[in-house]
Amino acid sequence: QSVLTQPPSVSAAPGQKVTISCSGSSSNIGNDYVSWYQQLPGTAPKLLIYGNNKRPSGIPDRFSGSKSGTSATLGITGLQTRDEADYYCGTWDSSRSAWVFGAGTKLTVL
Amino acid sequence: QLVESGGGWVQPGGSLRLSCVVSGFSFSNYGMNWVRQAPGKGLEWISYISSSGSSTFYADSLRGRFTISRDNAKKSVYLQVNSLRAEDTAVYHCASEFRGTPGYFGLDVWGPGTTVTVSS
Repeated sequence: QSVLTQPPSVSAAPGQKVTISCSGSSSNIGNDYVSWYQQLPGTAPKLLIYGNNKRPSGIPDRFSGSKSGTSATLGITGLQTRDEADYYCGTWDSSRSAWVFGAGTKLTVL
Repeated sequence: QLVESGGGWVQPGGSLRLSCVVSGFSFSNYGMNWVRQAPGKGLEWISYISSSGSSTFYADSLRGRFTISRDNAKKSVYLQVNSLRAEDTAVYHCASEFRGTPGYFGLDVWGPGTTVTVSS
C-alpha cells in the first residue's frame, strides 16, 4: 500500500486537458515538496515537476504542478499520444526520512 | 549519464552488489538514491546517500539487508543486497538528487536500471 494515493488511471482525448491527483498527509505532502515523474513504456522514470510546481529545463509548459494542503495535482494540457505513460508523484517524507511515491497513474490518450 | 550494472539471476538467500557509474555532472555535489520497480508494479524507494557519503537513509522494510555506499573518486554509487528473496525481483534504478532543502529538487536524473531476478 503506497503512502501517497493516486488514481489508477485517467484518460482524455488528444488536445484536451487532464489532471492527476496525489493525496498524502501532514507528515509528507503537507510539510514537504512534491515532484512528479513520467515513465514511458519500457523506459526509466523522468522528472517532470520539482518543488511542487517547477519544471526542469526541457519540460514543456503543457505540464504543470500545484499543491494545496496535503494534496498535489499534475496538469497536462494539449494532450498528445506521446504523453501516454505512467505518472508518479513523490515526496521526501521528513517524518520517515524516506522518499515515498504514489502507486502511479496510467494516462491513456484516446 | 547514469548507468547501472551488476544485476542478474541469483538464488534465494544469495547476494549481489549493484553499481551505478555517473558521467556528465559533478558527482560529488549530488546525493544518490536507489529505487526499484518490480514487474508490473510502481516505484519503491530503497536508499539515499549524501554527497559526501556521511549520511545514509533506508526504507524501513529493507533496512538490514541493503547497504548503500559511494566512491566519489570513481563517480560511482553501490548497493549491496544480501539475503535476497523472490520479492526482491525488480529493475533497480539509481537516481541523482541535488539536496539543498530535502526533496525540493526531486530525483532529477535516472539510470535505465539493472534487472535482478531471484529464483531457484
